[in-house]
Amino acid sequence: KAGVTQTPRYLIKTRGQQVTLSCSPISGHRSVSWYQQTPGQGLQFLFEYFSETQRNKGNFPGRFSGRQFSNSRSEMNVSTLELGDSALYLCASRAGEGEKLFFGSGTQLSVL
Amino acid sequence: GESVGLHLPTLSVQEGDNSIINCAYSNSASDYFIWYKQESGKGPQFIIDIRSNMDKRQGQRVTVLLNKTVKHLSLQIAATQPGDSAVYFCAEKFSGNQFYFGTGTSLTVIP
Repeated sequence: KAGVTQTPRYLIKTRGQQVTLSCSPISGHRSVSWYQQTPGQGLQFLFEYFSETQRNKGNFPGRFSGRQFSNSRSEMNVSTLELGDSALYLCASRAGEGEKLFFGSGTQLSVL
Repeated sequence: GESVGLHLPTLSVQEGDNSIINCAYSNSASDYFIWYKQESGKGPQFIIDIRSNMDKRQGQRVTVLLNKTVKHLSLQIAATQPGDSAVYFCAEKFSGNQFYFGTGTSLTVIP
């Protein structure tokens, strides 16, 4: 069974631009969560989608948004990029509530 | 030890020794806990989990201990190997079915 796949692996953007990150969950997993990871910080929860609906949302500004498609694939969008958005963005999927998260390798975003 | 919200940055152990990584979690209502391992350039990998109705669980070379009285979680790695060098995170789940992660402990295994 293929794991969680994230694309692209690396991104370099400039301030003010927008970016879209993609995540394909493990086959059969309907829940997809997104996390931001920066050096010295833990994983900060962005949001979770289940069956195309946002189920939970973390404490991030509205510039961070996401969506989930009918095939459970998910995209995350960040608009008006700021230098502080430079981070590793991780996607995780799980089979259902109360189940463990499986992570992808992440997308490393650098904002210049 | 590591705390969800605080962290013990590094731990160095000799190859072959046992490692103990600690985590103080925040919410007494948390009912599910996971340990993850993250190697450089990779996403976190699941190591072992435990639910709040248990106090110990063993895997291959790893053991997780849960002490709900003091809200403490630990990961024990037996016969630590160089490949165990990584950052280890604990995560707790409580309201909203959401996981909260600690900032991690960096384990370095000295050959």
